[in-house]
Amino acid sequence: EIVLTQSPATLSLSPGERATLSCRASQSVSSYLAWYQQKPGQAPRLLIYDASNRATGIPARFSGSGSGTDFTLTISSLEPEDFAVYYCQQRSNWPPCSFGQGTKLEIK
Amino acid sequence: QVQLVQSGSELKKPGASVKVSCKASGYTFTSYAMNWVRQAPGQGLEWMGWINTNTGNPTYAQGFTGRFVFSLDTSVSTAYLQISSLKAEDTAVYYCARGVLNWFDPWGQGTLVTVSS
Repeated sequence: EIVLTQSPATLSLSPGERATLSCRASQSVSSYLAWYQQKPGQAPRLLIYDASNRATGIPARFSGSGSGTDFTLTISSLEPEDFAVYYCQQRSNWPPCSFGQGTKLEIK
Repeated sequence: QVQLVQSGSELKKPGASVKVSCKASGYTFTSYAMNWVRQAPGQGLEWMGWINTNTGNPTYAQGFTGRFVFSLDTSVSTAYLQISSLKAEDTAVYYCARGVLNWFDPWGQGTLVTVSS
């Protein structure tokens, strides 16, 4: 089973700042990694797939990078609506797939 | 637009069963897989498995065999999750999510299942 570890657990930043979220896999997942955003009381939303491709309608301030075991989600300049929980997901050995435990991005 | 609409919240007693529905619209239902994901209160996301909407063949993740059943009614573009012999630890929000190259997009709004005596 591939385990995804996200860091930090909580990230406190202010609007306008740059956010960098990390996801590390227990073994290589090539580029089969996605990022999701979940706001309170809402379903997750796909942001990034295949490590670096933005999903339809996702603003350009969201970008993903990495391959193998280390991945990063970057939000270039935080907007108020970006404060949420972010999850990474891998599908390298589909099925199954697995999710990280999440990073909470909160307003400082 | 592509949309998944799930059935409403359920309150069930231990030992009962529940059936959650997920109605798809805005795309050809049988062209994409349907996944199910569980989120326990205050916890992260846990993939439960998926169902091939063409063949009806389900695949269950570890920990979701036996009491969990995925099914379809393609005539109404709807997927179902049935859970039997409910336990308190089944209390969670259950999401359906369309599989696009095995990424999940979009998701249903979620169905809260509460198991309590």
